[in-house]
Amino acid sequence: TQLLEQSPQFLSIQEGENLTVYCNSSSVFSSLQWYRQEPGEGPVLLVTVVTGGEVKKLKRLTFQFGDARKDSSLHITAAQPGDTGLYLCAGEGTALIFGKGTTLSVSS
Amino acid sequence: NAGVTQTPKFQVLKTGQSMTLQCAQDMNHEYMSWYRQDPGMGLRLIHYSVGAGITDQGEVPNGYNVSRSTTEDFPLRLLSAAPSQTSVYFCASRRQGGYTFGSGTRLTVV
Repeated sequence: TQLLEQSPQFLSIQEGENLTVYCNSSSVFSSLQWYRQEPGEGPVLLVTVVTGGEVKKLKRLTFQFGDARKDSSLHITAAQPGDTGLYLCAGEGTALIFGKGTTLSVSS
Repeated sequence: NAGVTQTPKFQVLKTGQSMTLQCAQDMNHEYMSWYRQDPGMGLRLIHYSVGAGITDQGEVPNGYNVSRSTTEDFPLRLLSAAPSQTSVYFCASRRQGGYTFGSGTRLTVV
């Protein structure tokens, strides 16, 4: 069974701080995807990383895929209250498997 | 282009009742899947389909049935609801580079 361990589970920070969310597995995935979910809505895709060592940037968000394609990280620079939400990593093999998510709260 | 549409948005069932959660997509995606989301458990895969007429089990398939007669529709059936099936259910379809999710069905079994 493929498992994705996501940490931390909860994160509460002040506006302007930086943070990193980690997603680790013992399995190799063909891609690693990051989603953001708002209350009462379904997850929305932020980014997909495919190549080992790949780095993608989305404004203040930086996503990295590990060289062995087993782990990934999400770094947010200068967090804002609008970044508040549930962040989910997901690995794609025969199906899409999710980590348990990181609940981020950014206060002003 | 509506994306992935799930109905109903909310449902309360009594133990033992049956119901079907509807999922439809208008993007001509071959791959569709159902997840349930519970506090502290993340999203867990129930069933998935790689195309019309083909379905397979995910991580937590017990108590749920699916069928895929058309590319557009992928309904999830609960034959005899149990309180353990109280959850939020999401349907998703796969596009190039990622998945599109519906807005979910919140199901309570009493």
